[in-house]
Amino acid sequence: GAVVSQHPSRVICKSGTSVKIECRSLDFQATTMFWYRQFPKKSLMLMATSNEGSKATYEQGVEKDKFLINHASLTLSTLTVTSAHPEDSSFYICSASTIAGGIVEQFFGPGTRLTVL
Amino acid sequence: SQQGEEDPQALSIQEGENATMNCSYKTSINNLQWYRQNSGRGLVHLILIRSNEREKHSGRLRVTLDTSKKSSSLLITASRAADTASYFCATAKGTGRRALTFGSGTRLQVQP
Repeated sequence: GAVVSQHPSRVICKSGTSVKIECRSLDFQATTMFWYRQFPKKSLMLMATSNEGSKATYEQGVEKDKFLINHASLTLSTLTVTSAHPEDSSFYICSASTIAGGIVEQFFGPGTRLTVL
Repeated sequence: SQQGEEDPQALSIQEGENATMNCSYKTSINNLQWYRQNSGRGLVHLILIRSNEREKHSGRLRVTLDTSKKSSSLLITASRAADTASYFCATAKGTGRRALTFGSGTRLQVQP
C-alpha cells in the first residue's frame, strides 16, 4: 500500500510554544489529507480535512486558530499547534486519501506523540 | 460524538482461541473498514467490506456486515499473542475523499 510519513514521531515542548507536524504522502499525490487526534485509550477523532490549495475544513469544536493547517502541495500537509498547552498533549495522526474503484482509501501515518509540559 | 460503537471495549483471551469484536454504526454507509493499532503506533488497514457485501475473509480474519442492523463483526481465528492490539471499525458515508468515522475500539489482549 501507499506510504504516509509523519515528522516528528515524538515531540516534547514547553507550554506556550508552537509545534509543527508534517504529514507526507511518499509515493502518491493526495489532494485531501485528514488530521486526527487520539487521547490515551480512546478512538481517533477527526480534527480537520486538509485540501490542497484551499483552506482546511475544521470539525466542530476544533479551533482553527489553534490548529493551523497548511496543505501547500499534493504530498505535504502540516499541522501547527500554536501556543501549546498541556491539554493539547495527544497522539496526532494524519491520513492521505485516494480513490480507487469508487472506494475511498486512506493511508495513515505512524502518528506524532505530542507532550506539552 | 462517535458514530461507531464497539463491544466489547476490552477482550482478554488465550492464544489459540477465537476473538470476536462487534461494531455498530448509525448512518448509511458506502463501506466499513477494520483497522488495527498497536499501542502508541499508527493504524494498519485490515479489511474493507462494501455495503453490498455480507461477509469477507482475509487469512485468519472474517468480517461480516449487516446493513439492516447497522452492525459488523470482526472474527480473528486461532489468535496469537502478536494479535494483541486495539481494533477499530471505521465507516465512510459515501464516495469521494471523505473522512472516516471511527468506532470506540476494542482492546484485545491475547495471553500466550
